[in-house]
Amino acid sequence: KNQVEQSPQSLIILEGKNCTLQCNYTVSPFSNLRWYKQDTGRGPVSLTIMTFSENTKSNGRYTATLDADTKQSSLHITASQLSDSASYICVVSARGAAGNKLTFGGGTRVLVKP
Amino acid sequence: DGGITQSPKYLFRKEGQNVTLSCEQNLNHDAMYWYRQDPGQGLRLIYYSQIVNDFQKGDIAEGYSVSREKKESFPLTVTSAQKNPTAFYLCASSIETSSRPGELFFGEGSRLTVL
Repeated sequence: KNQVEQSPQSLIILEGKNCTLQCNYTVSPFSNLRWYKQDTGRGPVSLTIMTFSENTKSNGRYTATLDADTKQSSLHITASQLSDSASYICVVSARGAAGNKLTFGGGTRVLVKP
Repeated sequence: DGGITQSPKYLFRKEGQNVTLSCEQNLNHDAMYWYRQDPGQGLRLIYYSQIVNDFQKGDIAEGYSVSREKKESFPLTVTSAQKNPTAFYLCASSIETSSRPGELFFGEGSRLTVL
């Protein structure tokens, strides 16, 4: 069964500090992995996409890493801002005969305090 | 601006009533999806449609129905048969391109509360 596990479930950090979110998956056959940011009461927005051959990808202060061998990904937030307070969702896509099938993690809720 | 519009944002329903959530997109995407989001859980797929006049059940389709009469519209009906309908509902669309494979574009969501 395809699964995506995210940790921690929630975390609190001070403004200006860095933090790292983890995503472990057992999805096969792997196609790609996305990180989404979801503000409270809003729809998720894509931050990054990682394919099998990519190890690192950045989007501003967000840097995602992928280790396809251990099936782990991380999202690093640098110099956090109050606007980074949101849930971050890891989504892994598996290739299938009928197209890609997505498996969503439960998300990590980040609260940035001044 | 192109995007996905969901309405209403908030909806209250009495037990035994059917309600319909609207989803409209002007992104010219072929594929559209409905997800349900519960606290602490990953999004779960209710229904999806890859082309007009065709749709497929997702992982939790029981108690829900959809239609896809137009490319731009994919309404979701939550029927009285859905045992636990209180949730946040997200509509999404996608287009498969080599540079952005499988990226979902989400609406702002509709929060349904059953009284």
